[in-house]
Amino acid sequence: GAVVSQHPSWVICKSGTSVKIECRSLDFQATTMFWYRQFPKQSLMLMATSNEGSKATYEQGVEKDKFLINHASLTLSTLTVTSAHPEDSSFYICSAPRDRDYYATDTQYFGPGTRLTVL
Amino acid sequence: AQSVTQPDIHITVSEGASLELRCNYSYGATPYLFWYVQSPGQGLQLLLKYFSGDTLVQGIKGFEAEFKRSQSSFNLRKPSVHWSDAAEYFCAVGVYNAGNNRKLIWGLGTSLAVNP
Repeated sequence: GAVVSQHPSWVICKSGTSVKIECRSLDFQATTMFWYRQFPKQSLMLMATSNEGSKATYEQGVEKDKFLINHASLTLSTLTVTSAHPEDSSFYICSAPRDRDYYATDTQYFGPGTRLTVL
Repeated sequence: AQSVTQPDIHITVSEGASLELRCNYSYGATPYLFWYVQSPGQGLQLLLKYFSGDTLVQGIKGFEAEFKRSQSSFNLRKPSVHWSDAAEYFCAVGVYNAGNNRKLIWGLGTSLAVNP
């Protein structure tokens, strides 16, 4: 149980285009989801916290107009990289704790990640 | 400031040898501490976590970690390493963000290589 999927697993796009990445909790409800960015050989950087039915909370330094987050249901959050540029190329990872034990355990389940390459 | 430090960027051990990966944290309150492993092409997997109680916690794949409040440390150990343990290991601490959600602060990771 507790599987999180991401789609697509990799994407290549041209500079100036927008790319949408989906994060789904397959077998549990997740009111809260997290979006991370990971550069090669580096740690995870939290970009934003996504909450179902409300606006996302962005970390300091993350452009909310650049990285649009929509959490339309209890099992789906999307990250849209708008007007992507080569510097946006990275590995994007989402995670979600299960609603039923989020505040009890803090355990997050991670998606496999999406590799974005902007040409 | 909240932070997690993993002093060792890269470690190489021989198969069958013991392993200890270091993690130090800085957080003003009682920490929630985690170790995750990231293998190529796979998502991050939780190895173990500490919330309260016994300071020696057991995890999956034969890993354990010990919380030492006096040293602000949460080191990961394994008595005998297997070749399949080669991966990237991340230590993290759970804190609250501005939206009152818990979030994870991550260390930079330790890359583990295992020699046959």
